[in-house]
Amino acid sequence: NAGVTQTPKFQVLKTGQSMTLQCAQDMNHNSMYWYRQDPGMGLRLIYYSASEGTTDKGEVPNGYNVSRLNKREFSLRLESAAPSQTSVYFCASRPSSNYGYTFGSGTRLTVV
Amino acid sequence: AQSVTQPDIHITVSEGASLELRCNYSYGATPYLFWYVQSPGQGLQLLLKYFSGDTLVQGIKGFEAEFKRSQSSFNLRKPSVHWSDAAEYFCAVDISGGYNKLIFGAGTRLAVHP
Repeated sequence: NAGVTQTPKFQVLKTGQSMTLQCAQDMNHNSMYWYRQDPGMGLRLIYYSASEGTTDKGEVPNGYNVSRLNKREFSLRLESAAPSQTSVYFCASRPSSNYGYTFGSGTRLTVV
Repeated sequence: AQSVTQPDIHITVSEGASLELRCNYSYGATPYLFWYVQSPGQGLQLLLKYFSGDTLVQGIKGFEAEFKRSQSSFNLRKPSVHWSDAAEYFCAVDISGGYNKLIFGAGTRLAVHP
């Protein structure tokens, strides 16, 4: 049982390049989330998907797009990467409000 | 706006000493409350959670937390810290706005001296 799997684990992009961060969970959870983690700022919600077929903006959505491909997969896309998007990105899933999140191991992204 | 405050950015304790990490939230009703731990280079692991009932909750790794409604606090405690507890700790709240998303505090980094 893998839980939440994120790929890639590390990535370096040049300013203006695009890329997609992949996330998949095998726990049949309804809700999935993308957070970014920056020093001294904790985790900030980028986008979330309460259920398959729905997505909504979080606290810091600018510069990102998401796709809830199916119940298992929730991808995060950077269309034109900027240095301000250098961060560690975490995907998480959750079955319902009576449970905490299960987190992936993160993607460390550097934009130069 | 709803918020979570962890007043201590860094805390250093000696191995075997007791620990208390503070967390305050700003929200009208009682939210669901969580503590997570993050070891270096790792994702976040759930330590414990509070939904209702007994205000003292037990978690994994010997941690406990106490919910105090009057103080809007949910402080994390451990009677005797081990060197392996060195990590970053995050308090989080679920304001149950219908989409079950968590709001995280900025984190407290714990260092343990031998």
